[in-house]
Amino acid sequence: AAGVIQSPRHLIKEKRETATLKCYPIPRHDTVYWYQQGPGQDPQFLISFYEKMQSDKGSIPDRFSAQQFSDYHSELNMSSLELGDSALYFCASSLNLKAGNTIYFGEGSWLTVV
Amino acid sequence: AQTVTQSQPEMSVQEAETVTLSCTYDTSENNYYLFWYKQPPSRQMILVIRQEAYKQQNATENRFSVNFQKAAKSFSLKISDSQLGDTAMYFCATTGSGTYKYIFGTGTRLKVLA
Repeated sequence: AAGVIQSPRHLIKEKRETATLKCYPIPRHDTVYWYQQGPGQDPQFLISFYEKMQSDKGSIPDRFSAQQFSDYHSELNMSSLELGDSALYFCASSLNLKAGNTIYFGEGSWLTVV
Repeated sequence: AQTVTQSQPEMSVQEAETVTLSCTYDTSENNYYLFWYKQPPSRQMILVIRQEAYKQQNATENRFSVNFQKAAKSFSLKISDSQLGDTAMYFCATTGSGTYKYIFGTGTRLKVLA
């Protein structure tokens, strides 16, 4: 079965640079989520999109932005990168979360800021 | 607002034994769902089990079962016949019908000993 695809899997950037992470949800899923997991931390919710509209917002810094495109893929743009942005970034997708459907996670994108 | 608390940062269990991981939560949602996710060293987030709050019957998936106490807002995970492959970080999570996100607990690191 198709899973959530994230790219790139690993990314190294310097401070103050910009990074873009891409996410391709499971086919027919209507909601995409972005989570950030720092070393030894639980996943922190950043933002979600339902049917290409922002549906919920968490602790996403103003330096970060995201969107969901017409083909349902999503991109997380991170600018003015800081050392503290180094983390594992998960994208996840689901169908109709409000009905209690399960969120499925991608394998994550490792971002290292040096 | 929703919160999830996992009070056991680390636990260990002998292979083939049974272990219970604790989780308590708080939510203002009338209709909500509870999940346990497993995160092995590969960092992949894997769904272990799912419980619908309006169902009184405890969910079971092979060696994994939950003890759902709605009044006490408790959702513990029991792993029977523990296997070495169960070694992982376990996260409890909740979502509600009014939100587009999961809220995770801080996790319990489980080590299965040979």
